[in-house]
Amino acid sequence: EPEVTQTPSHQVTQMGQEVILRCVPISNHLYFYWYRQILGQKVEFLVSFYNNEISEKSEIFDDQFSVERPDGSNFTLKIRSTKLEDSAMYFCASRPGLQETQYFGPGTRLLVL
Amino acid sequence: SQELEQSPQSLIVQEGKNLTINCTSSKTLYGLYWYKQKYGEGLIFLMMLQKGGEEKSHEKITAKLDEKKQQSSLHITASQPSHAGIYLCGAASGGSNYKLTFGKGTLLTVNP
Repeated sequence: EPEVTQTPSHQVTQMGQEVILRCVPISNHLYFYWYRQILGQKVEFLVSFYNNEISEKSEIFDDQFSVERPDGSNFTLKIRSTKLEDSAMYFCASRPGLQETQYFGPGTRLLVL
Repeated sequence: SQELEQSPQSLIVQEGKNLTINCTSSKTLYGLYWYKQKYGEGLIFLMMLQKGGEEKSHEKITAKLDEKKQQSSLHITASQPSHAGIYLCGAASGGSNYKLTFGKGTLLTVNP
């Protein structure tokens, strides 16, 4: 069964460093998302992406964040200058079309020191 | 913004017992999703409900959406240790974006 994959599973970085989190959505899906979950808190929406552009972003998704779909398969989240409070589990999700199920990847656990 | 309240926050049951988890929305739901999360892991899709009064079942799990589309319940029959985890309800926003807003989750422990 097709699934969303994410790499790396864990990432440790120093404050101020850039990180790139990678996702491979399910191949025929058209809508892509990033969410994050700070330890012990809710899963929060960050950004949605459709037709090669951002369709919506949350207040969390400031200028330090960017997303890209560099080719037909990968979907990346870049954090330019990480802060301690960026430490969280980051989930990628995708769905095939309107009002259909979002499938989540296993997540990347990011720790900023 | 849409808020989802889940109850209870945590639940401990004996294997074989039935249980119900509730999810209440501050606004009418366009779509309601149930996911299961093992601690520190990804979200596994369980069920999606869209129509008022809709009910879906998969194996021993049944999810319902009330007629007013503001409340959903997840019922597990004859619970097993494999049902243990965190159950999350997620509300889909309207329009084409369809982002999800999640509740805080319900931690289920099933004792053998």
